[in-house]
Amino acid sequence: GNSVTQMEGPVTLSEEAFLTINCTYTATGYPSLFWYVQYPGEGLQLLLKATKADDKGSNKGFEATYRKETTSFHLEKGSVQVSDSAVYFCALSSNQAGTALIFGKGTTLSVSS
Amino acid sequence: GAVVSQHPSWVICKSGTSVKIECRSLDFQATTMFWYRQFPKQSLMLMATSNEGSKATYEQGVEKDKFLINHASLTLSTLTVTSAHPEDSSFYICSASRGSTDTQYFGPGTRLTVL
Repeated sequence: GNSVTQMEGPVTLSEEAFLTINCTYTATGYPSLFWYVQYPGEGLQLLLKATKADDKGSNKGFEATYRKETTSFHLEKGSVQVSDSAVYFCALSSNQAGTALIFGKGTTLSVSS
Repeated sequence: GAVVSQHPSWVICKSGTSVKIECRSLDFQATTMFWYRQFPKQSLMLMATSNEGSKATYEQGVEKDKFLINHASLTLSTLTVTSAHPEDSSFYICSASRGSTDTQYFGPGTRLTVL
């Protein structure tokens, strides 16, 4: 069945460092891929998404490219801020809207000044 | 816009009692609501999908008589954990969407601890 694997955290970085959080998936067909972020005390928020191969999702300086050949959707940001500290979830869905979501375990990012 | 709240944010109860968790969409009408469960360091697992005014659809392996879901209005869904046991201790998260194929907006979650 479909599944998502993301790197375990916590990831600890200094402000302005480069961030990569790895995510790979197993799926039949052509899923849509998502990154969600959960800030302390808040609900999950959609950060970015990509609905087909080679698409790049981007938002708030974060980027992820849908790589079908490597079944990956790694999250990157060139310069992290303290306010980026949160838990990041990679997810896939069989539809573009993101229903029937299958989540990875989440990666905690902690950024210090 | 698109804010979803949950109440309570945390609850501790004795084994054998029932606990009700509320999920509200504060500024939009949620035709569909989803309930997830998350164990420590694990993924969010979908428990059930509910559409306003109809019975919930439960995922395989989820006991519908134990996890009662009601979606009586377009802004409120409730999850009742009946006869709770320590193994039901978990983090329960709801999400809401305007339609079954629309973007989900997540609540902040409810931490349930059963003693």
